[in-house]
Amino acid sequence: AQSVTQLGSHVSVSEGALVLLRCNYSSSVPPYLFWYVQYPNQGLQLLLKYTSAATLVKGINGFEAEFKKSETSFHLTKPSAHMSDAAEYFCAGGYQKVTFGIGTKLQVIP
Amino acid sequence: GAVVSQHPSWVICKSGTSVKIECRSLDFQATTMFWYRQFPKQSLMLMATSNEGSKATYEQGVEKDKFLINHASLTLSTLTVTSAHPEDSSFYICSATILGTSGRGGETQYFGPGTRLLVL
Repeated sequence: AQSVTQLGSHVSVSEGALVLLRCNYSSSVPPYLFWYVQYPNQGLQLLLKYTSAATLVKGINGFEAEFKKSETSFHLTKPSAHMSDAAEYFCAGGYQKVTFGIGTKLQVIP
Repeated sequence: GAVVSQHPSWVICKSGTSVKIECRSLDFQATTMFWYRQFPKQSLMLMATSNEGSKATYEQGVEKDKFLINHASLTLSTLTVTSAHPEDSSFYICSATILGTSGRGGETQYFGPGTRLLVL
């Protein structure tokens, strides 16, 4: 069975700084991988999705993620954090059924 | 496009009553709808997967007699929490995949805004 691990339940960055949210998957065959964002009291919104077409995936709001098979990772990055990026971010992976990581709460400090 | 709505957005009920939550795909037909439960500061836990016209598939540990799922059409799924108790208080989120996508996995799930249930 596949699993998804997010390293760091809380990440704080200064406004304008690089955002790096870590995600590793555990599966012998790379699954489909997703990053979702959740704002308080709302559902999840898809940021980006990896489907094996390209290892560097660009998403909405300036986010991107790079799939690295050798590291079984799919870390999410954004070059410059904005206050509006403060939210909870979930990495997810799987095939027919998707497993979600525990989430990383991103705090952006002005 | 691909908007999913949930109703109600929040509900407070007395212990022992039943609560119905609706999940609708507003601008697409859904192949499959998923129901998740999210506890504070935790991730989403899949409760069940439902396809229109067939019985829902429940995850291990989820009581199907307590959490009744009805997927009556390609745009509507309902979750009924029967005889609710305080421990059922949670944030319930549904999602849907678009009809016609591959079915081989990896379909994007479009999420509803969630329903917060508080059982007194």
